[in-house]
Amino acid sequence: KQEVTQIPAALSVPEGENLVLNCSFTDSAIYNLQWFRQDPGKGLTSLLLIQSSQREQTSGRLNASLDKSSGRSTLYIAASQPGDSATYLCAVAGNTPLVFGKGTRLSVIA
Amino acid sequence: GAGVSQTPSNKVTEKGKYVELRCDPISGHTALYWYRQSLGQGPEFLIYFQGTGAADDSGLPNDRFFAVRPEGSVSTLKIQRTERGDSAVYLCASSLSSGRSTDTQYFGPGTRLTVL
Repeated sequence: KQEVTQIPAALSVPEGENLVLNCSFTDSAIYNLQWFRQDPGKGLTSLLLIQSSQREQTSGRLNASLDKSSGRSTLYIAASQPGDSATYLCAVAGNTPLVFGKGTRLSVIA
Repeated sequence: GAGVSQTPSNKVTEKGKYVELRCDPISGHTALYWYRQSLGQGPEFLIYFQGTGAADDSGLPNDRFFAVRPEGSVSTLKIQRTERGDSAVYLCASSLSSGRSTDTQYFGPGTRLTVL
C-alpha cells in the first residue's frame, strides 16, 4: 500500500527566504506526482505535475523535482512571500488515483 | 471557464440521517473523483468514475457510502445512517480522462459535513 510522508509538518520563514518542502513515497510504481496548495477552508489548487518519466517541473518561483527510484520529491519555493502561506500537499498517482501526504503548513512572515 | 463546483458548501445533520452531496465537474471531463479529508490529514480517495461507471470504489469505507453519476457529468455521493465519524470535508475532483493517466485533477471547494 502506497504511503506518502511530508516533512516538515509545519514551517515558518521570514519573507524573501528560499525554502524546500520534502515528500517521500514508499512505492516507486507511480504514474505521476502532483504538488497542491490548500488555503484554509478551501479546496486544492494544483501547482505542478511531474510525470513519472520527468525529473523536474518549473512554474514561476516554484520548482519541483522527482527521484522516482528513491521515492522522493522536493518542492522549492524561491523568494517566499506572505501570500505563499498555505498548506502544501504532495500526492502520487499509481494504482490508486491519488494518495496524499498530510501536508506541510507554511507560514511566511512579513 | 467554470471550475468544479460542489453543493452544499456546508451540511449539518444528525446521527442516523441520510445525506447527499453533489459535484458538478468541469465540462468535458470524463473522470470524476471523490475524496474525504479529515482535520489535519491529507485527502483520502473514496471512488472514481470514468464516464457513468465507477472504475474504482475501493476507497469507500463501508456500504453506507454510495456514489452515482448517471449521465456521466454530475455526481452524487450518498451517505446512509450517518455517524459522527463521517464528519469531514468531502472533496470532488475531475480530470480530462482516466485516473490512471497523466492528467491533472482539478478540485472543487469541498462540502464540509458535520454529523452531530
